[in-house]
Amino acid sequence: KNEVEQSPQNLTAQEGEFITINCSYSVGISALHWLQQHPGGGIVSLFMLSSGKKKHGRLIATINIQEKHSSLHITASHPRDSAVYICAVSFEGAQKLVFGQGTRLTINP
Amino acid sequence: NAGVMQNPRHLVRRRGQEARLRCSPMKGHSHVYWYRQLPEEGLKFMVYLQKENIIDESGMPKERFSAEFPKEGPSILRIQQVVRGDSAAYFCASSPGLAGPYEQYFGPGTRLTVT
Repeated sequence: KNEVEQSPQNLTAQEGEFITINCSYSVGISALHWLQQHPGGGIVSLFMLSSGKKKHGRLIATINIQEKHSSLHITASHPRDSAVYICAVSFEGAQKLVFGQGTRLTINP
Repeated sequence: NAGVMQNPRHLVRRRGQEARLRCSPMKGHSHVYWYRQLPEEGLKFMVYLQKENIIDESGMPKERFSAEFPKEGPSILRIQQVVRGDSAAYFCASSPGLAGPYEQYFGPGTRLTVT
């Protein structure tokens, strides 16, 4: 069983829709990261959070430490948002990242 | 303002050859992580280093793989006697220091193909 679970695995939506990707993890963490990976491309760090909520442009990330759950939201989605979104955590006492399986997002025009 | 640099971006090796992957961290970063992404699979941690020291190598295969981060120069991930199963994208990330957590900045990756 993966220590970091993401859902859904695949998500297709129309341009303009509000998108939510979920991430849950099994034990205490020091931080949770949301990453973006374009096909054949590199990995970009979107957010690192350990509590509350962060916002950057149309992206919002929230975390609930008690429930061991985080969500990534995209408002007014656009075809250029199409990518794989990856949740990763650093468990308490460790710096290395443990990754979810990723969510493949496709936004159709 | 260079980010994390990796080279080569693409590497083709025949079975049995050696592969050397290089990673230069962001300026001011002293910690390097190597991750591997097998085809159609998620990212997996391999090794975590600071200069002249391996901090965590719990994700490294026991044989053929080694990593170093010398006092001068880039971090090197070395794979000896490559096999087809080593074909993957290898990503390096860097962060400022030991006491974290810190955001990790990823390089563009090296895509290794073993023929």
